[in-house]
Amino acid sequence: EDQVTQSPEALRLQEGESSSLNCSYTVSGLRGLFWYRQDPGKGPEFLFTLYSAGEEKEKERLKATLTKKESFLHITAPKPEDSATYLCAVQNSGYALNFGKGTSLLVTP
Amino acid sequence: EAQVTQNPRYLITVTGKKLTVTCSQNMNHEYMSWYRQDPGLGLRQIYYSMNVEVTDKGDVPEGYKVSRKEKRNFPLILESPSPNQTSLYFCASSLGTTDNEQFFGPGTRLTVL
Repeated sequence: EDQVTQSPEALRLQEGESSSLNCSYTVSGLRGLFWYRQDPGKGPEFLFTLYSAGEEKEKERLKATLTKKESFLHITAPKPEDSATYLCAVQNSGYALNFGKGTSLLVTP
Repeated sequence: EAQVTQNPRYLITVTGKKLTVTCSQNMNHEYMSWYRQDPGLGLRQIYYSMNVEVTDKGDVPEGYKVSRKEKRNFPLILESPSPNQTSLYFCASSLGTTDNEQFFGPGTRLTVL
């Protein structure tokens, strides 16, 4: 059975204080690992897709990396507008998607 | 504007009264999916569809039905809703089955009394 575990559950950072969010996974035949951002009361918003170990993708202050067992979302010099819940998901060989429970990030000025 | 729409956005109903939540996308996407989101449990996939007339179960399909008769529409049907189906529901779509830049709808908050 596919499993996705995100840590920490919640993270509080000062503006400018860089950190990383973790997503560890077990999946039968990984098709892709995905990162989403979700603001309160809204649907998740796509950030990245990673397909194979060693792959990295960047977008503004965010950088996602992938190994065979986990993925990291690095946040460099975060701003208050980066506050949100960050979700990790894996897609297995059967096309089903399995989401983690998310990391709630709060960035204070 | 490219978007996924869901209706209704809010619904309060009673146990056993059949209901349908509609989902429509205007991006000619192949893959569509339904999720429910509950506190402490995260986002869980109910059903997904890789194309017209092709659907498959996600993690929590019990008590739900779907159909994909047209590419743009993917309704979620609760034949006999129960209180444990009270949740926030999201519909999503993506161009292909593996690119998974999924676009999510605004959500439907369902309460079953």
